[in-house]
Amino acid sequence: GQNIDQPTEMTATEGAIVQINCTYQTSGFNGLFWYQQHAGEAPTFLSYNVLDGLEEKGRFSSFLSRSKGYSYLLLKELQMKDSASYLCAQGSENTDKLIFGTGTRLQVFP
Amino acid sequence: DSGVTQTPKHLITATGQRVTLRCSPRSGDLSVYWYQQSLDQGLQFLIQYYNGEERAKGNILERFSAQQFPDLHSELNLSSLELGDSALYFCASSANGQATNEKLFFGSGTQLSVL
Repeated sequence: GQNIDQPTEMTATEGAIVQINCTYQTSGFNGLFWYQQHAGEAPTFLSYNVLDGLEEKGRFSSFLSRSKGYSYLLLKELQMKDSASYLCAQGSENTDKLIFGTGTRLQVFP
Repeated sequence: DSGVTQTPKHLITATGQRVTLRCSPRSGDLSVYWYQQSLDQGLQFLIQYYNGEERAKGNILERFSAQQFPDLHSELNLSSLELGDSALYFCASSANGQATNEKLFFGSGTQLSVL
């Protein structure tokens, strides 16, 4: 099976920077996604990495290291509305499926 | 608004009953995915359809079944319901059915409560 590990909960202060880490099994890797999910709402796409390196998109950036089976999502200039769960998801070439981690619940405090 | 429509938003039923969840994908998307989300678990992949045909199967129970119709809408049927089936059920769609390298658009979900 596939194991995706990410912290269960994190807290941060408004205006700060937070990094949410995700590790995954490298076997059959075919892309790493990050989704944001506010409580009781649908997940929405944030980023997709398939090559090593950093992808920047406004206040959010996502990094991938395929050799280490590691990704992180970096959120800058945190706002209260960033309080949500952040889901790491791995595409598997072996199974042709997208498998989600259990998510990291981020709480931003004033 | 993702463009994916799910009905109903809420469903309350009793153990042993059967329910049907409905999903209309985004205009132009050929593939539909069903996920189950419980409080203590992440999004669990159930099943995927592409242009009317089953493409991939996840941890879907035998009591559950799904289909995608010619107009591309999909239905998820849950039967002999148990308390543990209470969860948020999401439908997602994508253009080409390549979940591993294209983004999914999720509906707002159906909250199922089995009492």
